Amino acid sequence: EAQVTQNPRYLITVTGKKLTVTCSQNMNHEYMSWYRQDPGLGLRQIYYSMNVEVTDKGDVPEGYKVSRKEKRNFPLILESPSPNQTSLYFCASREGLAANEQFFGPGTRLTVL
Amino acid sequence: SQQGEEDPQALSIQEGENATMNCSYKTSINNLQWYRQNSGRGLVHLILIRSNEREKHSGRLRVTLDTSKKSSSLLITASRAADTASYFCATMTTDSWGKLQFGAGTQVVVTP
Repeated sequence: EAQVTQNPRYLITVTGKKLTVTCSQNMNHEYMSWYRQDPGLGLRQIYYSMNVEVTDKGDVPEGYKVSRKEKRNFPLILESPSPNQTSLYFCASREGLAANEQFFGPGTRLTVL
Repeated sequence: SQQGEEDPQALSIQEGENATMNCSYKTSINNLQWYRQNSGRGLVHLILIRSNEREKHSGRLRVTLDTSKKSSSLLITASRAADTASYFCATMTTDSWGKLQFGAGTQVVVTP
């Protein structure tokens, strides 16, 4: 089944404790993104990647890192999480830059205390 | 502020009624897409309309696009309880290098 998977689905952590949210897609997609979703703000893009080893900042990259060492994986790293990073995070992928449809993972609900 | 903004923020209707929501955007687009999100879940792509198209249909969904007014509407006909969800428009602008920009969404509740 074609899908985007994220882990963990739920995470409660404390300020400053490094964490990684994994994202994997099995559709051989070139383009992958991370978004955060906050009430009233919709989805805001954090980082995106157009292919292996090609990543760039989205609208709200501060406090986040990403890497794209393999085509299928696009982990999101919070080196020193803060409470304002408490949010619902989504990974997404699509075939390429001009592809029509974007596929989303199920989401990771992160709480930073 | 956001590229796409949906209106209304929330909509409550009864089964069988039609639901209409609107999306306005600011800059020129290549295409506009609508997504659905069930509570706490990932977004699911519903329909895409290109900048040179005016109307598109998919099952019970009808999307219109007016580029002169920079607006789009999504109509769900004969709504069902299972249509209860949040609906987001997303625009791919001509200068965004493939980035999709999402609005804040319209929350639709369909009561039996």
